[in-house]
Amino acid sequence: QQQVRQSPQSLTVWEGETTILNCSYEDSTFDYFPWYRQFPGKSPALLIAISLVSNKKEDGRFTIFFNKREKKLSLHITDSQPGDSATYFCAAIDRGSALGRLHFGAGTQLIVIP
Amino acid sequence: GPKVLQIPSHQIIDMGQMVTLNCDPVSNHLYFYWYKQILGQQMEFLVNFYNGKVMEKSKLFKDQFSVERPDGSYFTLKIQPTALEDSAVYFCASSLGWGGAQNTLYFGAGTRLSVL
Repeated sequence: QQQVRQSPQSLTVWEGETTILNCSYEDSTFDYFPWYRQFPGKSPALLIAISLVSNKKEDGRFTIFFNKREKKLSLHITDSQPGDSATYFCAAIDRGSALGRLHFGAGTQLIVIP
Repeated sequence: GPKVLQIPSHQIIDMGQMVTLNCDPVSNHLYFYWYKQILGQQMEFLVNFYNGKVMEKSKLFKDQFSVERPDGSYFTLKIQPTALEDSAVYFCASSLGWGGAQNTLYFGAGTRLSVL
């Protein structure tokens, strides 16, 4: 049973466009939501994260918008670049977990065309 | 940034054999994790480990799986015996702390395990 869902599964945009990646979750005990980015053949790396107390988190061209009531998040990438081409994973941490284990979504594969 | 090293990058073995996947976590990290990713699917939590003990494990962490970190050396995942469904990429991760912002996981590049 998937606790974190992502859409779309894959997405192709033109350079310069804004990319929007969606994420939703079910579990009310989730309280921290990191996004990881994985380039092909590389390890996933933390990109940006947001906690339950915030509605928005911005870091350069990357912004997370958080709708707590609907349990939905979105990652916006403005001025998308070919170097942004990667798989993006939304994750959630369960505060009830002994060590804050991460629950990952299935990922969105992004391709940015020059 | 901090690096987690995984050895080997690819392992091919016959079903029923034993395999050990090795992970060299970030040097001052205290919490260690294994995740399993089948091609095209999400990473799924297997186990976390702290202070020499398994703290949590998922249903995917079968009886054939074991983890240890003897004397601060490699954090290892052992599968004995292996099954065809164990074919996947196994990611090791480590973190300094737990919960919220302290729980930034640093991942290795993964070991691709192929069970024939």
